[in-house]
Amino acid sequence: QQQVKQSPQSLIVQKGGISIINCAYENTAFDYFPWYQQFPGKGPALLIAIRPDVSEKKEGRFTISFNKSAKQFSLHIMDSQPGDSATYFCAASKPPRNTGKLIFGQGTTLQVKP
Amino acid sequence: DAGVIQSPRHEVTEMGQEVTLRCKPISGHDYLFWYRQTMMRGLELLIYFNNNVPIDDSGMPEDRFSAKMPNASFSTLKIQPSEPRDSAVYFCASSLISGGVYEQYFGPGTRLTVT
Repeated sequence: QQQVKQSPQSLIVQKGGISIINCAYENTAFDYFPWYQQFPGKGPALLIAIRPDVSEKKEGRFTISFNKSAKQFSLHIMDSQPGDSATYFCAASKPPRNTGKLIFGQGTTLQVKP
Repeated sequence: DAGVIQSPRHEVTEMGQEVTLRCKPISGHDYLFWYRQTMMRGLELLIYFNNNVPIDDSGMPEDRFSAKMPNASFSTLKIQPSEPRDSAVYFCASSLISGGVYEQYFGPGTRLTVT
């Protein structure tokens, strides 16, 4: 129940295309769903996050879609660019105690071809 | 702010040796996390602290691993004795829980190689 399952493991997209990464969870107590982006040799960094009271959040070319009934959420990268090539992690967090503990998915390595 | 600082950035050691990884969190942050990243297992949470107190160490793989946070600006992760299977990138992250936002700020990591 603590797991967050992420797919696909790797993804290759042409420049200008749409990249889609999916995550699924079991624990309905999760109330915060961030996506982290990691470039080679760097630590992960927060990209965008959503709470379950909304179905979609958009920031620039990055959009999170959230389906509470299906317990799934996904990251869409529109007009993908070579600079988006990185590893993406979805995550989830839950109360109580506002622990801040995040449960991470396994990661998706995205390659955007020029 | 300089962000989360980790040292060393790279560590190569021989099996059986003691290894100490260091972390300086962002000033004012009250949570500190230690993660391990490998190709096989992804990003694993080892232990985390709140206000310098260990809250959850269930991810620590075995007794060879220990972590301390003597004050709000410093934490160590120690492996004694080290084994080749400990080879990984170790990340430290810190956060400040504000309005239910749980953003964690990661350091650059320490790449550990145990031969």
